[in-house]
Amino acid sequence: GAGVSQSPSNKVTEKGKDVELRCDPISGHTALYWYRQSLGQGLEFLIYFQGNSAPDKSGLPSDRFSAERTGGSVSTLTIQRTQQEDSAVYLCASSLLGPPLHFGNGTRLTVT
Amino acid sequence: TQLLEQSPQFLSIQEGENLTVYCNSSSVFSSLQWYRQEPGEGPVLLVTVVTGGEVKKLKRLTFQFGDARKDSSLHITAAQPGDTGLYLCAVSGGSNYKLTFGKGTLLTVNP
Repeated sequence: GAGVSQSPSNKVTEKGKDVELRCDPISGHTALYWYRQSLGQGLEFLIYFQGNSAPDKSGLPSDRFSAERTGGSVSTLTIQRTQQEDSAVYLCASSLLGPPLHFGNGTRLTVT
Repeated sequence: TQLLEQSPQFLSIQEGENLTVYCNSSSVFSSLQWYRQEPGEGPVLLVTVVTGGEVKKLKRLTFQFGDARKDSSLHITAAQPGDTGLYLCAVSGGSNYKLTFGKGTLLTVNP
């Protein structure tokens, strides 16, 4: 069975550009999470989707960050006007309802 | 302040040695999870502990949840190079769905 798929695996962008990161969750999983992992900072919660409920956006660090989930499946995390401090690994996870989470391998974002 | 404190932050040992890593908090949790993350991959669940004092074994790995459900430990017996990775503890604090992670212990097992 397919796991959580994230694309691209690596992204290098120039400061000020917009980027889109994609996540394909495990089929049938209604919950989808985005986390950010920076060196020495652990995993930082960004956003949570559950079915058709309003997402929990409480972890988004600024209004440059947004995410959507279309049709209750694929999710896209968008970062506008990227800054160097946005460089990190962005991890997507899915689950049936809540923990335990099944993670993808992440997108490593480098802002130059 | 961190909800979860993991120690040590880094650990480098030789193959065959035993080790213990810790996850501590001042808060009480209904459950706690341990994940392992290898380079270039996402974290993978190892175990969930839910009962105070609970001990779970996974081959050479032994997990314990503190009696007061505020802390946990992971003990590895006869470590192997394949055990190398970042060990993360995580709890659902406040809400049932949002998982909060510690910063992890980066373990290196040298052959």
